[in-house]
Amino acid sequence: NAGVTQTPKFQVLKTGQSMTLQCAQDMNHEYMSWYRQDPGMGLRLIHYSVGAGITDQGEVPNGYNVSRSTTEDFPLRLLSAAPSQTSVYFCASSIGQGRPPLHFGNGTRLTVT
Amino acid sequence: AQTVTQSQPEMSVQEAETVTLSCTYDTSENNYYLFWYKQPPSRQMILVIRQEAYKQQNATENRFSVNFQKAAKSFSLKISDSQLGDTAMYFCALKNNAGNMLTFGGGTRLMVKP
Repeated sequence: NAGVTQTPKFQVLKTGQSMTLQCAQDMNHEYMSWYRQDPGMGLRLIHYSVGAGITDQGEVPNGYNVSRSTTEDFPLRLLSAAPSQTSVYFCASSIGQGRPPLHFGNGTRLTVT
Repeated sequence: AQTVTQSQPEMSVQEAETVTLSCTYDTSENNYYLFWYKQPPSRQMILVIRQEAYKQQNATENRFSVNFQKAAKSFSLKISDSQLGDTAMYFCALKNNAGNMLTFGGGTRLMVKP
């Protein structure tokens, strides 16, 4: 059972480039989410989804897009990367809306130069 | 809005001793969950312990226990018999029962010294 799988583990982008961070879970979880982790600020919610076809904004959504076409996958897109998006990104899932705990992926370290 | 505050950016403890990490929070809800997550250098987020707000009894998981003071909105983590493997960042987190957002504190970096 793989749990929550994030790819890639590391990525370096130049300002203005686009990329997609991949997240997949094999636990049939309804709820999936993306967080970014910055020093001294803990993790902050970017976007979340309570099921296929449903997404919503979290605390820091600007500069990011998401979609949820299947239950298993929840990709995070950066359309035009900025240095302020340098961070560690975590995908997390749980069995259903309002149902903790969250299961986390191992994170993607993104650097934008 | 809900907030979580961890006032101790860094702490250290000698191996085999006990250490307490502090966390305070604010929420207007009455039903919520509180969590402590551990993040070792591997970057993995590991759930250490959870507490439902409606439960008066403090949660315990082996060497980890919490002191949950609902009226004071305080949720501290006690680690007994500290081990070198406990060295990590520790995050306190809050989730309202009806919402979808898990709000994290800024973290406490714990170093266990041999």
